[in-house]
Amino acid sequence: NAGVIQTPRHKVTGKGQEATLWCEPISGHSAVFWYRQTIVQGLEFLTYFRNQAPIDDSGMPKERFSAQMPNQSHSTLKIQSTQPQDSAVYLCASSRSGGVAETLYFGSGTRLTVL
Amino acid sequence: GDSVTQTEGQVTVSESKSLIINCTYSTTSIAYPNLFWYVRYPGEGLQLLLKVITAGQKGSSRGFEATYNKETTSFHLQKASVQESDSAVYYCALGDWYGGSGNKLIFGTGTLLSVKP
Repeated sequence: NAGVIQTPRHKVTGKGQEATLWCEPISGHSAVFWYRQTIVQGLEFLTYFRNQAPIDDSGMPKERFSAQMPNQSHSTLKIQSTQPQDSAVYLCASSRSGGVAETLYFGSGTRLTVL
Repeated sequence: GDSVTQTEGQVTVSESKSLIINCTYSTTSIAYPNLFWYVRYPGEGLQLLLKVITAGQKGSSRGFEATYNKETTSFHLQKASVQESDSAVYYCALGDWYGGSGNKLIFGTGTLLSVKP
């Protein structure tokens, strides 16, 4: 079992450019979560999918952030017109079915740096 | 809404000494939330250390223990004798469907544990 795979590990973009982050959940897991980690805010929830359907995007900044899960084997987080304040480590996690008592399995994260 | 508080950003303990990392939570839920400790070892991803989903119960793993205290709304992490390999960042988290948080976990800010040899 390879665990949750996130690519790229590091991404550097210029202000105003687009960034796409990829996540491959553990095979057989039907729930995918995205979190963002910064020194100031800590671990912030962004969005959550179950069986590829978006369930909760209450943590997503509305204007420039979007997430999709086109199939059960990957999810993407896209940030348009990146800003320096978007610099963070973006974490993807999966769980068996998304139940609130279930264990989340995290990827190693993508460190996004916006210059 | 729900929240988790870890008061210590960093803790330094000598090897073989005891440890306590504080965690308190706040919820408006009519039910008792599920409580978790996650850990990030150097160079590794965030992983579950232990969880307790029933108020009043104790969870344990790798020599660590945490007791779910609904009276004090606390879930402190303890270990009787730490080792250098325990050096990591520890996160307390809460999952509370009935409190309006849905299926997501709410995390504390993390505590960096450094164990001195």
